[in-house]
Amino acid sequence: GENVEQHPSTLSVQEGDSAVIKCTYSDSASNYFPWYKQELGKGPQLIIDIRSNVGEKKDQRIAVTLNKTAKHFSLHITETQPEDSAVYFCAASTAHGNEKLTFGTGTRLTIIP
Amino acid sequence: ETGVTQSPTHLIKTRGQQVTLRCSSQSGHNTVSWYQQALGQGPQFIFQYYREEENGRGNFPPRFSGLQFPNYSSELNVNALELDDSALYLCASSSGGRSYNEQFFGPGTRLTVL
Repeated sequence: GENVEQHPSTLSVQEGDSAVIKCTYSDSASNYFPWYKQELGKGPQLIIDIRSNVGEKKDQRIAVTLNKTAKHFSLHITETQPEDSAVYFCAASTAHGNEKLTFGTGTRLTIIP
Repeated sequence: ETGVTQSPTHLIKTRGQQVTLRCSSQSGHNTVSWYQQALGQGPQFIFQYYREEENGRGNFPPRFSGLQFPNYSSELNVNALELDDSALYLCASSSGGRSYNEQFFGPGTRLTVL
């Protein structure tokens, strides 16, 4: 089955700097890659996603890149703000009939004011 | 548009007991997926229901079972609770039952097994 690895497990950046989180996946049939933000005591919130027919997607300060050949994808957050502090999860889904998401182990991002 | 809701928020049970968790999907969504999130880990897929039928199952024993109702709300039942079942249980709703569809998560139910 699919295996998703995520790095780093913790990340601290100065407010205003950029943060990058990287994930690799194992199943070449995976075709959908969402990123979720989870704040303490809450469920994961979808912040951006990318499909396998696209190499990059951007939404304001957040961008995701996908390299299908290398089977890795990354989340980029620019001009970080204190409210970006949270745990971020990457996930992958394959086109095998249902929407099972396989998640990475998460990155705890701390923005230092 | 109403988001995904789950009940109860917190639950404490003892080993061997049974528990039922509930989820109401987002308006317009016909698919509900359940995930287990242990402390410090990413969510793990339990199973998915699409139009009242199970549509895929993860690596969980049969004592984890579910239902989806005509209004697309769903229940997760766990029998013979074990200490390792302590986790945050999340449901996510989406439309279509196929890949590519965005999944929106509820706030979760925190289950503690003593």
